[in-house]
Amino acid sequence: AAGVIQSPRHLIKEKRETATLKCYPIPRHDTVYWYQQGPGQDPQFLISFYEKMQSDKGSIPDRFSAQQFSDYHSELNMSSLELGDSALYFCASRRAGGETGELFFGEGSRLTVL
Amino acid sequence: EDQVTQSPEALRLQEGESSSLNCSYTVSGLRGLFWYRQDPGKGPEFLFTLYSAGEEKEKERLKATLTKKESFLHITAPKPEDSATYLCAVQAGDSWGKLQFGAGTQVVVTP
Repeated sequence: AAGVIQSPRHLIKEKRETATLKCYPIPRHDTVYWYQQGPGQDPQFLISFYEKMQSDKGSIPDRFSAQQFSDYHSELNMSSLELGDSALYFCASRRAGGETGELFFGEGSRLTVL
Repeated sequence: EDQVTQSPEALRLQEGESSSLNCSYTVSGLRGLFWYRQDPGKGPEFLFTLYSAGEEKEKERLKATLTKKESFLHITAPKPEDSATYLCAVQAGDSWGKLQFGAGTQVVVTP
């Protein structure tokens, strides 16, 4: 079965650089979520999109932005990177009519900021 | 503010040794409590949703239960492949899928 696809899987950037992460949700899933998981921490909600519109926002820094495109894929753009941005970034999708908390997570993109 | 606290932080079990993980929560109006399993370096994998006190869900060797203040994940006769971090989460606010996770319980099952 198709899963949530994230790219790149690993990314190394310098401080103050910019990074873009991509997410391709499961077909016919209408909502996309971005979560950030720091080392040894639980996942933290960043932002979500429903039918290409931003539906909710969490603890996402102003340096970060995201959008969902017409083909439902989503991109998370991170600028002026800081050491503390080093983390695993997960994208998840939820199917229309599914249980409220049943999210399908991708394998994650590991960002390392040097 | 919604809070989710999991205990213990880590649990080491012998194969076949049953045990329970705890998740206590404080939320203003529970809209769902969720259990996920996470393997190292992988995304969380959905296990269960519980909506109301008294509800129980089972899947293979796992059974999740819910009371008004806490949830338990029982692992019966675990196998080494049950080794993972188990995350508990609640829905934060009105937005479906906006989850607040606990810190997780890391379970290691040895043969």
